[in-house]
Amino acid sequence: DSGVTQTPKHLITATGQRVTLRCSPRSGDLSVYWYQQSLDQGLQFLIQYYNGEERAKGNILERFSAQQFPDLHSELNLSSLELGDSALYFCASSVEANSPLHFGNGTRLTVT
Amino acid sequence: GENVEQHPSTLSVQEGDSAVIKCTYSDSASNYFPWYKQELGKRPQLIIDIRSNVGEKKDQRIAVTLNKTAKHFSLHITETQPEDSAVYFCAASRNTGGFKTIFGAGTRLFVKA
Repeated sequence: DSGVTQTPKHLITATGQRVTLRCSPRSGDLSVYWYQQSLDQGLQFLIQYYNGEERAKGNILERFSAQQFPDLHSELNLSSLELGDSALYFCASSVEANSPLHFGNGTRLTVT
Repeated sequence: GENVEQHPSTLSVQEGDSAVIKCTYSDSASNYFPWYKQELGKRPQLIIDIRSNVGEKKDQRIAVTLNKTAKHFSLHITETQPEDSAVYFCAASRNTGGFKTIFGAGTRLFVKA
């Protein structure tokens, strides 16, 4: 168990809808990262937060947004969903920059 | 933008042989290079990492080497076992000017018994 909790585990929704993915980092970790993994693909970096502030942005679509709350949990909001958004979304946390990432078990999103 | 290239995409070896996976990074500010193993249907997990002030690091059957000048780093697995079969990801990270951890595309390793 990595100590990173992601909910829900599975999400099935229709095109055009909006969903929210939630992540609770490992106790003591201030950084939260979001990654998208499509079927048999690599880990695409979306966004990173550190202690509530956005620190780095990757290839995150304008339809996607995220935030980290004062209690350090993070949410990733995906709107106007398209079939191509179907993927496994991982949250990871770390103590600080340049330290090991601890991944959650992911949320599998299926857009029909 | 920042990029990490990883080769090969697929690697098949006989049990007991060695496996080598190579990565190249583009961001010269990268100074931390972790490797993650992802078994089928599971989350990625760190197996070894190396920092830019070190050229080589070993942990039992796993070793990583770093050539900062060439911006290359490699994962070496010796005496491979069937349970080593998984997807391996290299990554490059920096802690200045934006704290990104960029992953390579992954290498699917098959170890044949």
